[in-house]
Amino acid sequence: KNEVEQSPQNLTAQEGEFITINCSYSVGISALHWLQQHPGGGIVSLFMLSSGKKKHGRLIATINIQEKHSSLHITASHPRDSAVYICAVSKRRKEETSGSRLTFGEGTQLTVNP
Amino acid sequence: ETGVTQTPRHLVMGMTNKKSLKCEQHLGHNAMYWYKQSAKKPLELMFVYNFKEQTENNSVPSRFSPECPNSSHLFLHLHTLQPEDSALYLCASSHAGVSGANVLTFGAGSRLTVL
Repeated sequence: KNEVEQSPQNLTAQEGEFITINCSYSVGISALHWLQQHPGGGIVSLFMLSSGKKKHGRLIATINIQEKHSSLHITASHPRDSAVYICAVSKRRKEETSGSRLTFGEGTQLTVNP
Repeated sequence: ETGVTQTPRHLVMGMTNKKSLKCEQHLGHNAMYWYKQSAKKPLELMFVYNFKEQTENNSVPSRFSPECPNSSHLFLHLHTLQPEDSALYLCASSHAGVSGANVLTFGAGSRLTVL
């Protein structure tokens, strides 16, 4: 079983719909990341959060540390939102470390149709 | 462009070839990473460099050899690869803070095909 699980694996929506992608993890973390990968490969960091909620434009990310669960919401979805959305966690380590070592989920392929 | 530049974007090589992937960032970051993304699998961390020193080798076969001459440049030298090494290789960079949780900036990736 992966330490980071995402659902759904694939999601198709109509333009304007409200979208939710879920992420569950089974390890102690120092932070959770949401990333976006467009066709061609480039990855963009959307959010890094360790508690509560963050909002950027039409994107909202929430995290519940007790339940080890995070959600990414997209309001008023648009075809340009079509991409793979990836959840990743920075695992909490006993020793101090530098930099980020992320453990990734398998990603959610989102397609938004006009 | 994200600030992390990878070259080449596409590479086709035979199993006996030697080639290198290059990554460059001028974001003032001190940590650089190589990740591998195979079809239908999550990204896998390969190597981490902090201030030019390798701090993690995630059990990567020796046919992959990283080099970090300075905090702005990272190479991945490839030799005698196998077809199963065909994948997207992503470079990333971040600040090297001790929190263990820093935002990564990714390059566009180098798509490698091994024949």
